[in-house]
Amino acid sequence: AQKVTQAQTEISVVEKEDVTLDCVYETRDTTYYLFWYKQPPSGELVFLIRRNSFDEQNEISGRYSWNFQKSTSSFNFTITASQVVDSAVYFCALSEARGAAGNKLTFGGGTRVLVKP
Amino acid sequence: NAGVTQTPKFQVLKTGQSMTLQCAQDMNHNSMYWYRQDPGMGLRLIYYSASEGTTDKGEVPNGYNVSRLNKREFSLRLESAAPSQTSVYFCASSVGGGYTQYFGPGTRLTVL
Repeated sequence: AQKVTQAQTEISVVEKEDVTLDCVYETRDTTYYLFWYKQPPSGELVFLIRRNSFDEQNEISGRYSWNFQKSTSSFNFTITASQVVDSAVYFCALSEARGAAGNKLTFGGGTRVLVKP
Repeated sequence: NAGVTQTPKFQVLKTGQSMTLQCAQDMNHNSMYWYRQDPGMGLRLIYYSASEGTTDKGEVPNGYNVSRLNKREFSLRLESAAPSQTSVYFCASSVGGGYTQYFGPGTRLTVL
């Protein structure tokens, strides 16, 4: 069975500070996909990134960066120089392989980030 | 290009009433999904449809039924609503299994 754990339930920072969100996953599959989604106060779910298990390169997109470490089953997310607009709940998610099994996306419990001006 | 749309946005039901939540996507995606989100929790998969003509149970299917009406539309039905079904319901679609799922705006359902 697959499982995603986001141990941090809430993080509060002051604007311009960096914030790192932890995500640890469990899966028996060798092929899997990891995702991050953002849920702002308005409630919609916004896709941020998808990473497959064979690509361990870190990725940077503007102020966002992701650190994927297969050895520790972690896929952490860092916001650099946080802004008030970054205040949201962030979810890490996992799906195993493609095909029918790949349709079962398992979410972590989410981390609420509050950025104060 | 509206992406994934859901109706209604809000609904209040009494225990035992039935209702159908509608979902449509205009991205020509093969797979569609229904999730529920309870306070302080991540999303849990209720049912999904890997392709037109197929549906399958997710993690929490009890009390729900689904219909994949065509490639665009996927509805979720509550036959006899219970207070435990008070939640926010999200529909999503993707090209297929393992690909990115794109979500609708959600339906906030309260069962009294």
